Amino acid sequence: ETGVTQSPTHLIKTRGQQVTLRCSSQSGHNTVSWYQQALGQGPQFIFQYYREEENGRGNFPPRFSGLQFPNYSSELNVNALELDDSALYLCASSLGQGASYEQYFGPGTRLTVT
Amino acid sequence: AQSVSQHNHHVILSEAASLELGCNYSYGGTVNLFWYVQYPGQHLQLLLKYFSGDPLVKGIKGFEAEFIKSKFSFNLRKPSVQWSDTAEYFCAVKVPDTGRRALTFGSGTRLQVQP
Repeated sequence: ETGVTQSPTHLIKTRGQQVTLRCSSQSGHNTVSWYQQALGQGPQFIFQYYREEENGRGNFPPRFSGLQFPNYSSELNVNALELDDSALYLCASSLGQGASYEQYFGPGTRLTVT
Repeated sequence: AQSVSQHNHHVILSEAASLELGCNYSYGGTVNLFWYVQYPGQHLQLLLKYFSGDPLVKGIKGFEAEFIKSKFSFNLRKPSVQWSDTAEYFCAVKVPDTGRRALTFGSGTRLQVQP
């Protein structure tokens, strides 16, 4: 069974640029959640996708957007990058959207904005 | 909105010492509670979870946690730590009856176990 994978591993971007991060969910999982983990902090929820639709959103501005594809893989897009967007971005997949479903985390993408 | 507090930011212990990491949450209704661990260079992994029933929950690698509803707490314990327990530990909460689908994490506790 393949776990959650994310690409790229590391990324350096300049302020004002746009970035796309990718996530492949664990086999059979139809729900993907994205989190931002700033240095020294716990992960913060960005949004969740269930069966290709956004299913909940945290306190992040609209320049953070996402997609989920029919194979349940997902993308996180961030426009107009700011220095504070520098963080580890985590993707987590689960069998369903309910509270009882365990979320399995990927290794993350480390984004540095200069 | 619910929040999670972990008051111990950095804990240093010797091997065989007992561990207790504090976690408090701020929501008065039904909650699902979790402890995750992040070993150096590895993914976040679930240590244990509490949904209902026995408030003393046993997880992997000898960890346990106790849910005390009156104190809004879910402290993590291990009677005897090993060097391999060196990691960052995160407490998280999910509120099933609000429709919020996501985990709310605390800021984490870095545990350093000295041999």
